[in-house]
Amino acid sequence: QLQLQESGPGLVKPSETLSLTCTVSGGSISTSTYYWGWIRQPPGKGLEWIGSIFYSGNTYYSPSLKSRVTISVDTSKNQLSLRLNSVTAADTALYYCARHGSSSWYVDSWGQGILVTVSS
Amino acid sequence: QVVLTQSPSASASLGASVKLTCTLSSGHSGYAIAWHQQQPEKGPRYLMKLNSDGRHWKGDGIPERFSGSSSGTERYLTISSLQSEDEADYYCQTWDTGTQVFGGGTKLTVL
Repeated sequence: QLQLQESGPGLVKPSETLSLTCTVSGGSISTSTYYWGWIRQPPGKGLEWIGSIFYSGNTYYSPSLKSRVTISVDTSKNQLSLRLNSVTAADTALYYCARHGSSSWYVDSWGQGILVTVSS
Repeated sequence: QVVLTQSPSASASLGASVKLTCTLSSGHSGYAIAWHQQQPEKGPRYLMKLNSDGRHWKGDGIPERFSGSSSGTERYLTISSLQSEDEADYYCQTWDTGTQVFGGGTKLTVL
């Protein structure tokens, strides 16, 4: 059974870089069938797509975050990573790792999420 | 850019049925969507993919009580025989070239 597990610091200082890792188990990240991505949810609010990556390294980013986001993949570790720089309090959110189809981009698997708070 | 609109809240009685609506922006009636459930204090769970013709494919373990249908730019999620654990936020999601879009979510209260 596929499992996605987010990990990383739960507290980041303003203006610094948020870094998270998602470890995929129960399936290979190196598949042409799926993309892997990050989605976030500020406390009490809705879901926001951050970006997605193919195992080859091809990426797509949300236009609103593109200037601050980098998503990368390490196929040897079956992991993907998120870096978001110059964070502010508005970046405080639950961050979810997710899988979606490579042709139809519907999310069919979610991680449990990790809360990241931006505060000094 | 496609936009998804959902009513912020809905309610129905235990054992009854409820139909939640996700509306695609004008000109996007051919788009498929996905429905996701988020129970309190939990991460989202994929419920189903729903095509514009009403065909839908549910995720593993999703009860028969959950079904989807479509009409024009509207996509529906029907939950029958409501149970207390169905009280949750429900999000619709769609996609366009190189991007994903989420609706604002509907908070379902089971009375």
